[in-house]
Formats: sequence, structure tokens, C-alpha cells
Amino acid sequence: DTAVSQTPKYLVTQMGNDKSIKCEQNLGHDTMYWYKQDSKKFLKIMFSYNNKELIINETVPNRFSPKSPDKAHLNLHINSLELGDSAVYFCASSQEPSLETQYFGPGTRLLVL
Amino acid sequence: AQSVSQHNHHVILSEAASLELGCNYSYGGTVNLFWYVQYPGQHLQLLLKYFSGDPLVKGIKGFEAEFIKSKFSFNLRKPSVQWSDTAEYFCAVKDTDKLIFGTGTRLQVFP
Repeated sequence: DTAVSQTPKYLVTQMGNDKSIKCEQNLGHDTMYWYKQDSKKFLKIMFSYNNKELIINETVPNRFSPKSPDKAHLNLHINSLELGDSAVYFCASSQEPSLETQYFGPGTRLLVL
Repeated sequence: AQSVSQHNHHVILSEAASLELGCNYSYGGTVNLFWYVQYPGQHLQLLLKYFSGDPLVKGIKGFEAEFIKSKFSFNLRKPSVQWSDTAEYFCAVKDTDKLIFGTGTRLQVFP
């Protein structure tokens, strides 16, 4: 009964490839987020969706495209992967965008070779 | 926009030592503040949060934090650390609809 789950847990791929990371939450939350954690552990928000609508879009390259098929899912698609995309990507959810506690998924470690 | 500073990048302690990790945010008004912990290889978990009320907040695992408005600070404390507290600790502040995280403090506790 995992609250926020992500697949895959690890992803190793070549530069130039396109890949997707999936996130699902079973908490009944309305808001979901994607964060990127770099090699220095710095955690920065990328996107936020509330009820399937994009509400936060930080200065992220347009190679990154989030998709929310329903409010329990927020997937992240990355086109033309670059070396600098190597990071840990965390999905999170909260009840409202105005922020109750955010619950984080286990992370997806992406390594671009 | 808000920003968060964590000045202690790496802290090394022996078991039973007391801990204080610094966190400062950039500007005042109403603030919502959080401390998250990331154990090795795991996801972030909430330790404690401050929204309003008593500025001394108790969290899980014996942690507490004190909100001092005049100092723009929200330092994390624990009177006696354990080896199992070895982890990365992140302070965060709410900025409109998102959380702004500090750069984290790596805590290593040796037996």
C-alpha cells in the first residue's frame, strides 16, 4: 500500500534517447509534483499539477513534458536526453497546491551515458 | 521569491552528541516551514513542519525545531543523536504554490 510510487527505480540510457518516468499516488491527493535532485543533493521543483492541470512550470527545458492522465498519475517524458539530465527525479503529492505536507515517492535514478 | 540557506553542509557527530542544524529563509511575513529527512537510498520524509502557533515544533524521532521570526530562522535540534540519524536533512519554505528547498545538510553519526 505504497502512497507514492515511481517506475522505474533506475534508468540507464544513452544520450539522445527518449524516456518516461511514471508516478502514481493512492492518497487521493489533488496535487502532484516533479522534483529534480542533482548530484549535490540540491532539490528543485520542476512541475506541479492540480487536478490534471499544470500550475507550476519552472524554467525547465521543453524536452521535459509532464502528462497527467488523471489526478492520481503524473508522468514525466524526456526527449533527446542529455548528460546533464542525469539526476534523481522525485515525484510528490499533496492535498492542495497551497500546501499541506508533500509526500514523496522513492525516486528514479536516471543516468545518461 | 523565497530562498533557503543551510550553512552546515556536512556535520559529523558521535552518538549521544547534541545536534543543531541551521536554516534561514530570506524574507518574512507568513511563512510555512518544513524539515525533511532523506535516509541513504530512500525518499524524503517529513520530520516536522511549522504553519503557525507555538514556535517550538516537535517532530518525529525526537527532533524539534524552533521558529525565530526575528532571525528568519528555523533550526533543527535533537538532544542526543543516534547512528540511525545518519541522513541528509533538508529545510524547506513554502513560496506560493511550491516548496523551496535548501541545499541540505549531510549528517554522519558515528557509534
